[in-house]
Amino acid sequence: AQRVTQPEKLLSVFKGAPVELKCNYSYSGSPELFWYVQYSRQRLQLLLRHISRESIKGFTADLNKGETSFHLKKPFAQEEDSAMYYCALSGGNSGGYQKVTFGTGTKLQVIP
Amino acid sequence: DVKVTQSSRYLVKRTGEKVFLECVQDMDHENMFWYRQDPGLGLRLIYFSYDVKMKEKGDIPEGYSVSREKKERFSLILESASTNQTSMYLCASSLDRGLKPQHFGDGTRLSIL
Repeated sequence: AQRVTQPEKLLSVFKGAPVELKCNYSYSGSPELFWYVQYSRQRLQLLLRHISRESIKGFTADLNKGETSFHLKKPFAQEEDSAMYYCALSGGNSGGYQKVTFGTGTKLQVIP
Repeated sequence: DVKVTQSSRYLVKRTGEKVFLECVQDMDHENMFWYRQDPGLGLRLIYFSYDVKMKEKGDIPEGYSVSREKKERFSLILESASTNQTSMYLCASSLDRGLKPQHFGDGTRLSIL
């Protein structure tokens, strides 16, 4: 079975401080990992995926297979980063398709 | 701009009613999904569809059914609504085969009294 764990429900940081949103996963195969974000009163949207190795809005995430982690990081938090962040994993078969499992989410609060 | 439209933002229904939640996408996407979003539980997949008239159960399909008669429309049906189905329901769509939801609707906050 595949599982995604986000241990923190709420993470509060001061503006300008580094941010690390933790995500650990459990999956026996080779997973694909994602981060989704939902800003207040906006739609949930895909932020980044590990295969792209991209930096979006200053955020990066590296897949660490040894630690089975995919933590989301940003060196300097901004107030507009305040949002709900979901880590997600793609893996497992459903008629040949790979389902996505979401974590429970971490609310990031950036304090001015 | 990509658009996933859910017919209602807020809905209040009574226990035992049959409830329909509608979702339309204008991107010609193959895949469509229904999730429910609950505090502390994240997003949980109810049903998904990868083609017209095709549907697959997600992780929590009990008490729900779906309909995909046209490519652009994916309906979620609560056969007999119960209070534990009070939740935020999110529809999503995607183009690629990997079933990774790309575009979400605004959500429908459903209350069952």
